[in-house]
Amino acid sequence: AQSVTQLDSHVSVSEGTPVLLRCNYSSSYSPSLFWYVQHPNKGLQLLLKYTSAATLVKGINGFEAEFKKSETSFHLTKPSAHMSDAAEYFCVVSFSGGYNKLIFGAGTRLAVHP
Amino acid sequence: AAGVIQSPRHLIKEKRETATLKCYPIPRHDTVYWYQQGPGQDPQFLISFYEKMQSDKGSIPDRFSAQQFSDYHSELNMSSLELGDSALYFCASSQTGQSYNEQFFGPGTRLTVL
Repeated sequence: AQSVTQLDSHVSVSEGTPVLLRCNYSSSYSPSLFWYVQHPNKGLQLLLKYTSAATLVKGINGFEAEFKKSETSFHLTKPSAHMSDAAEYFCVVSFSGGYNKLIFGAGTRLAVHP
Repeated sequence: AAGVIQSPRHLIKEKRETATLKCYPIPRHDTVYWYQQGPGQDPQFLISFYEKMQSDKGSIPDRFSAQQFSDYHSELNMSSLELGDSALYFCASSQTGQSYNEQFFGPGTRLTVL
Protein backbone atom coordinates (compact mmCIF):
# COMPACT_ATOMS: atom_id res chain seq x y z
CA ALA A 1 0.00 0.00 0.00
CA GLN A 2 1.07 3.54 -0.65
CA SER A 3 1.27 5.96 2.25
CA VAL A 4 2.93 9.09 3.46
CA THR A 5 4.02 9.91 6.99
CA GLN A 6 4.81 13.43 8.05
CA LEU A 7 6.84 13.07 11.19
CA ASP A 8 5.93 16.38 12.81
CA SER A 9 2.43 17.79 13.13
CA HIS A 10 3.76 21.19 14.24
CA VAL A 11 7.10 22.90 13.64
CA SER A 12 8.02 26.27 15.07
CA VAL A 13 11.03 28.29 13.93
CA SER A 14 12.31 31.81 14.27
CA GLU A 15 12.42 34.08 11.25
CA GLY A 16 15.74 33.74 9.46
CA THR A 17 16.48 30.23 10.75
CA PRO A 18 16.41 27.02 8.70
CA VAL A 19 13.25 25.02 8.14
CA LEU A 20 13.09 21.21 8.05
CA LEU A 21 9.78 19.41 7.48
CA ARG A 22 10.15 15.65 7.47
CA CYS A 23 8.35 13.17 5.26
CA ASN A 24 8.68 9.43 4.76
CA TYR A 25 6.81 7.48 2.13
CA SER A 26 5.87 3.91 1.45
CA SER A 27 5.28 2.78 -2.11
CA SER A 28 5.55 -0.48 -3.98
CA TYR A 29 5.94 1.42 -7.22
CA SER A 30 8.20 4.20 -8.34
CA PRO A 31 6.50 7.16 -6.73
CA SER A 32 6.07 10.73 -7.71
CA LEU A 33 6.42 12.94 -4.67
CA PHE A 34 5.16 16.43 -4.09
CA TRP A 35 5.05 19.10 -1.44
CA TYR A 36 1.99 21.35 -1.34
CA VAL A 37 1.44 24.40 0.83
CA GLN A 38 -1.90 25.65 2.11
CA HIS A 39 -2.23 29.06 3.68
CA PRO A 40 -5.18 29.67 6.02
CA ASN A 41 -8.49 29.52 4.17
CA LYS A 42 -6.69 29.14 0.87
CA GLY A 43 -6.28 26.45 -1.74
CA LEU A 44 -3.38 24.10 -2.35
CA GLN A 45 -0.27 25.40 -4.05
CA LEU A 46 2.43 23.13 -5.45
CA LEU A 47 5.85 23.90 -3.95
CA LEU A 48 7.88 21.28 -5.77
CA LYS A 49 7.76 17.79 -7.23
CA TYR A 50 10.08 14.81 -7.58
CA THR A 51 9.79 13.02 -10.90
CA SER A 52 13.00 10.94 -10.91
CA ALA A 53 14.97 13.41 -13.01
CA ALA A 54 17.07 14.62 -10.08
CA THR A 55 17.14 13.67 -6.42
CA LEU A 56 17.51 17.27 -5.24
CA VAL A 57 14.49 19.25 -6.26
CA LYS A 58 14.22 23.02 -6.10
CA GLY A 59 10.84 24.63 -5.71
CA ILE A 60 9.30 28.02 -5.33
CA ASN A 61 10.01 30.51 -2.54
CA GLY A 62 13.44 29.05 -1.78
CA PHE A 63 12.21 25.60 -0.77
CA GLU A 64 13.94 22.41 -1.82
CA ALA A 65 13.62 18.72 -1.08
CA GLU A 66 15.89 15.74 -1.46
CA PHE A 67 14.63 12.32 -2.49
CA LYS A 68 16.50 9.57 -0.63
CA LYS A 69 15.39 6.16 -1.81
CA SER A 70 17.48 4.29 0.75
CA GLU A 71 15.72 6.17 3.54
CA THR A 72 12.35 6.45 1.75
CA SER A 73 12.38 10.10 2.68
CA PHE A 74 11.52 13.37 0.96
CA HIS A 75 12.24 16.07 3.51
CA LEU A 76 11.48 19.71 2.75
CA THR A 77 14.01 22.38 3.65
CA LYS A 78 14.55 26.10 3.40
CA PRO A 79 17.72 27.88 4.54
CA SER A 80 16.00 30.90 6.04
CA ALA A 81 12.39 31.10 7.15
CA HIS A 82 10.21 34.08 6.37
CA MET A 83 7.08 35.14 8.22
CA SER A 84 5.07 34.49 5.07
CA ASP A 85 6.09 30.82 5.17
CA ALA A 86 3.71 30.18 8.06
CA ALA A 87 1.19 27.69 6.65
CA GLU A 88 0.21 24.03 6.49
CA TYR A 89 2.51 21.84 4.42
CA PHE A 90 1.47 18.53 2.89
CA CYS A 91 3.77 15.82 1.62
CA VAL A 92 2.00 13.92 -1.15
CA VAL A 93 2.68 10.72 -3.06
CA SER A 94 1.28 9.57 -6.36
CA PHE A 95 2.03 6.49 -8.40
CA SER A 96 1.16 5.55 -11.93
CA GLY A 97 -0.39 2.27 -10.84
CA GLY A 98 -3.02 4.14 -8.86
CA TYR A 99 -4.50 6.23 -11.64
CA ASN A 100 -2.50 9.14 -10.31
CA LYS A 101 -4.68 9.90 -7.31
CA LEU A 102 -2.79 11.85 -4.71
CA ILE A 103 -2.29 10.46 -1.23
CA PHE A 104 -1.72 13.21 1.30
CA GLY A 105 0.21 13.12 4.53
CA ALA A 106 -1.47 14.46 7.65
CA GLY A 107 0.22 17.82 7.24
CA THR A 108 2.75 19.86 9.19
CA ARG A 109 1.79 23.25 10.51
CA LEU A 110 4.74 25.62 10.30
CA ALA A 111 4.82 28.59 12.64
CA VAL A 112 7.39 31.35 12.14
CA HIS A 113 8.16 33.68 15.02
CA PRO A 114 9.81 37.09 14.78
CA ALA B 1 -2.65 31.31 -17.34
CA ALA B 2 -6.06 29.74 -16.93
CA GLY B 3 -6.60 27.85 -13.69
CA VAL B 4 -9.12 25.37 -12.37
CA ILE B 5 -12.43 27.06 -11.62
CA GLN B 6 -14.78 25.86 -8.93
CA SER B 7 -18.25 27.11 -8.18
CA PRO B 8 -19.70 28.08 -5.92
CA ARG B 9 -16.86 29.12 -3.61
CA HIS B 10 -19.07 28.92 -0.56
CA LEU B 11 -22.27 26.97 0.02
CA ILE B 12 -24.51 26.69 3.05
CA LYS B 13 -27.09 23.92 3.21
CA GLU B 14 -29.39 22.34 5.75
CA LYS B 15 -29.24 18.68 6.78
CA ARG B 16 -30.91 16.33 4.29
CA GLU B 17 -30.68 18.88 1.48
CA THR B 18 -28.79 18.34 -1.76
CA ALA B 19 -25.82 20.23 -3.18
CA THR B 20 -24.08 20.37 -6.53
CA LEU B 21 -20.46 21.47 -6.84
CA LYS B 22 -18.99 22.33 -10.21
CA CYS B 23 -15.46 22.14 -11.52
CA TYR B 24 -14.07 23.55 -14.75
CA PRO B 25 -10.63 22.12 -15.53
CA ILE B 26 -7.77 23.87 -17.21
CA PRO B 27 -8.29 23.87 -21.01
CA ARG B 28 -7.01 20.66 -22.66
CA HIS B 29 -6.88 18.82 -19.34
CA ASP B 30 -8.72 15.53 -19.69
CA THR B 31 -8.70 14.26 -16.12
CA VAL B 32 -10.55 15.64 -13.10
CA TYR B 33 -10.12 14.66 -9.47
CA TRP B 34 -12.26 15.47 -6.42
CA TYR B 35 -10.89 15.71 -2.88
CA GLN B 36 -12.57 16.38 0.45
CA GLN B 37 -10.77 18.18 3.26
CA GLY B 38 -12.52 18.13 6.62
CA PRO B 39 -11.68 20.69 9.32
CA GLY B 40 -8.08 20.21 10.42
CA GLN B 41 -7.73 17.18 8.16
CA ASP B 42 -5.65 16.35 5.12
CA PRO B 43 -7.41 16.14 1.75
CA GLN B 44 -8.92 12.74 0.96
CA PHE B 45 -9.40 11.49 -2.57
CA LEU B 46 -13.03 10.97 -3.54
CA ILE B 47 -13.23 10.15 -7.23
CA SER B 48 -11.64 10.86 -10.59
CA PHE B 49 -12.66 10.92 -14.24
CA TYR B 50 -10.66 10.50 -17.42
CA GLU B 51 -12.25 11.30 -20.75
CA LYS B 52 -15.70 11.36 -19.13
CA MET B 53 -15.34 7.89 -17.62
CA GLN B 54 -14.80 7.20 -13.95
CA SER B 55 -11.15 6.21 -13.59
CA ASP B 56 -10.76 5.70 -9.85
CA LYS B 57 -12.86 5.79 -6.72
CA GLY B 58 -11.84 6.58 -3.18
CA SER B 59 -13.72 7.19 0.00
CA ILE B 60 -16.79 8.68 -1.61
CA PRO B 61 -20.09 8.05 0.22
CA ASP B 62 -22.90 6.36 -1.68
CA ARG B 63 -24.93 9.56 -1.18
CA PHE B 64 -22.49 11.33 -3.49
CA SER B 65 -22.24 10.95 -7.22
CA ALA B 66 -20.19 12.69 -9.85
CA GLN B 67 -19.76 12.86 -13.57
CA GLN B 68 -17.64 14.49 -16.22
CA PHE B 69 -19.35 16.08 -19.18
CA SER B 70 -18.43 16.35 -22.85
CA ASP B 71 -16.78 19.73 -22.26
CA TYR B 72 -14.70 18.06 -19.49
CA HIS B 73 -16.26 20.00 -16.65
CA SER B 74 -17.32 17.90 -13.71
CA GLU B 75 -20.08 18.04 -11.13
CA LEU B 76 -20.19 16.49 -7.69
CA ASN B 77 -23.73 15.83 -6.52
CA MET B 78 -24.32 15.37 -2.83
CA SER B 79 -27.65 14.24 -1.43
CA SER B 80 -29.08 13.76 2.07
CA LEU B 81 -26.42 16.06 3.43
CA GLU B 82 -25.10 15.37 6.91
CA LEU B 83 -23.28 17.64 9.34
CA GLY B 84 -20.13 15.63 8.71
CA ASP B 85 -20.16 16.61 5.06
CA SER B 86 -19.08 20.11 6.04
CA ALA B 87 -15.67 20.43 4.43
CA LEU B 88 -13.58 22.08 1.77
CA TYR B 89 -14.02 20.30 -1.54
CA PHE B 90 -11.17 20.58 -3.99
CA CYS B 91 -11.20 19.80 -7.65
CA ALA B 92 -7.95 19.21 -9.52
CA SER B 93 -7.23 18.61 -13.18
CA SER B 94 -4.38 17.12 -15.15
CA GLN B 95 -3.42 16.35 -18.71
CA THR B 96 -2.59 12.76 -19.60
CA GLY B 97 0.93 12.46 -20.91
CA GLN B 98 2.07 15.58 -19.11
CA SER B 99 5.05 15.05 -16.86
CA TYR B 100 3.83 12.69 -14.16
CA ASN B 101 0.30 13.97 -14.63
CA GLU B 102 0.79 16.90 -12.28
CA GLN B 103 -2.50 17.94 -10.75
CA PHE B 104 -3.53 21.56 -10.59
CA PHE B 105 -5.94 22.45 -7.83
CA GLY B 106 -8.85 24.83 -7.82
CA PRO B 107 -9.53 27.20 -4.92
CA GLY B 108 -12.07 24.85 -3.40
CA THR B 109 -15.72 25.03 -2.44
CA ARG B 110 -16.40 25.41 1.25
CA LEU B 111 -19.58 23.53 2.12
CA THR B 112 -21.24 24.17 5.45
CA VAL B 113 -24.10 21.91 6.51
CA LEU B 114 -26.29 23.28 9.32
